[in-house]
Amino acid sequence: DTGVSQNPRHKITKRGQNVTFRCDPISEHNRLYWYRQTLGQGPEFLTYFQNEAQLEKSRLLSDRFSAERPKGSFSTLEIQRTEQGDSAMYLCASTGAETQYFGPGTRLLVL
Amino acid sequence: QQQVKQSPQSLIVQKGGISIINCAYENTAFDYFPWYQQFPGKGPALLIAIRPDVSEKKEGRFTISFNKSAKQFSLHIMDSQPGDSATYFCAAGGGSASKIIFGSGTRLSIRP
Repeated sequence: DTGVSQNPRHKITKRGQNVTFRCDPISEHNRLYWYRQTLGQGPEFLTYFQNEAQLEKSRLLSDRFSAERPKGSFSTLEIQRTEQGDSAMYLCASTGAETQYFGPGTRLLVL
Repeated sequence: QQQVKQSPQSLIVQKGGISIINCAYENTAFDYFPWYQQFPGKGPALLIAIRPDVSEKKEGRFTISFNKSAKQFSLHIMDSQPGDSATYFCAAGGGSASKIIFGSGTRLSIRP
């Protein structure tokens, strides 16, 4: 078990383009979380899955954002029509019990 | 609404000294209080966590002190080392399956 992995690690895109990030959680972890972290701030909750069911979404998750976890394993986070304000680190975490284990994040820069 | 307030924003401590970071929360439904350590370019890593039924938890050089009535908790790093230089986040959650609300972080620098 190598921990939570995220791809890509870095993404540069132009405003208006769509981007998709992938998260592979620790195997057998049934809960998966997405957070967003901007410079100098703590991570902010975006959404949460238990197995394949998306159970909670933050008000931060506008209609341009969509997340899936189709088979209850890996998850994807898609941002449509990116805006400069979307520039941030997108973090994924998984847990089987209490402790949330974070991946290294995907750093997004929207030009 | 900021539900977890953290201070100070930055902290410089001499090697061997004690580093102290403080947090306060508002929501009395929180029952899980972790501290995370984050190095540049990495995701946060759990350092130590406490539940409100105890007032203190110690793991090696790291201690959490918890004051339920004041809704405050703090992290103490004893014998601080240069390798402890990182950003520290306090956080709070309501139950093991819930989201975690993070503080704004403290950038700790340990001077050799």
